[in-house]
Amino acid sequence: EAEVAQSPRYKITEKSQAVAFWCDPISGHATLYWYRQILGQGPELLVQFQDESVVDDSQLPKDRFSAERLKGVDSTLKIQPAELGDSAMYLCASSLADRGLETQYFGPGTRLLVL
Amino acid sequence: AQTVTQSQPEMSVQEAETVTLSCTYDTSESNYYLFWYKQPPSRQMILVIRQEAYKQQNATENRFSVNFQKAAKSFSLKISDSQLGDTAMYFCAFSFQGGSEKLVFGKGTKLTVNP
Repeated sequence: EAEVAQSPRYKITEKSQAVAFWCDPISGHATLYWYRQILGQGPELLVQFQDESVVDDSQLPKDRFSAERLKGVDSTLKIQPAELGDSAMYLCASSLADRGLETQYFGPGTRLLVL
Repeated sequence: AQTVTQSQPEMSVQEAETVTLSCTYDTSESNYYLFWYKQPPSRQMILVIRQEAYKQQNATENRFSVNFQKAAKSFSLKISDSQLGDTAMYFCAFSFQGGSEKLVFGKGTKLTVNP
């Protein structure tokens, strides 16, 4: 069964350093989402792509976060510089299309700890 | 803005028994979708069940069923014949038709199934 791949699974960094996370969606899935899940809370959307275009990045802290999906397939989320409050699980999800009823398939996540 | 509230941070149930998880939401939209996602320990989030708001009939998926009360904005999940593998965080989520289709999650309920 196809799955969403993410790497790394765990990342420890010091504040002010740069970090990057990678996501490879299920083949053929046009829509890709990055969510942030702070411990004890539900995931919150950071950015949504439809193919290579950003559909929603209203909650992305653009002064330090950037995301790209250059060829409309895999995606990278970057934080520079990292802050203590960025410690969280970063989840990638993909779906066939951006219709609301489409199932979003989640990857295992990247757990980030900023020291 | 849409909000999702899960009022039970933790619940426990004995194996083979039935448990109900509560969820309420707030929206001014009339067309939307509701979901329950399961996040087992150290594993990726998976869809359990979904409901289209325009459908009055409650969704069922094997041992999982929902009680959807649109006027009350309530969407509870019933798990029958609980199994040890049902131990997980359960998130109620909302997306509305015509928007970016992002999922808005509640804070989750930690369910433990005891042998």
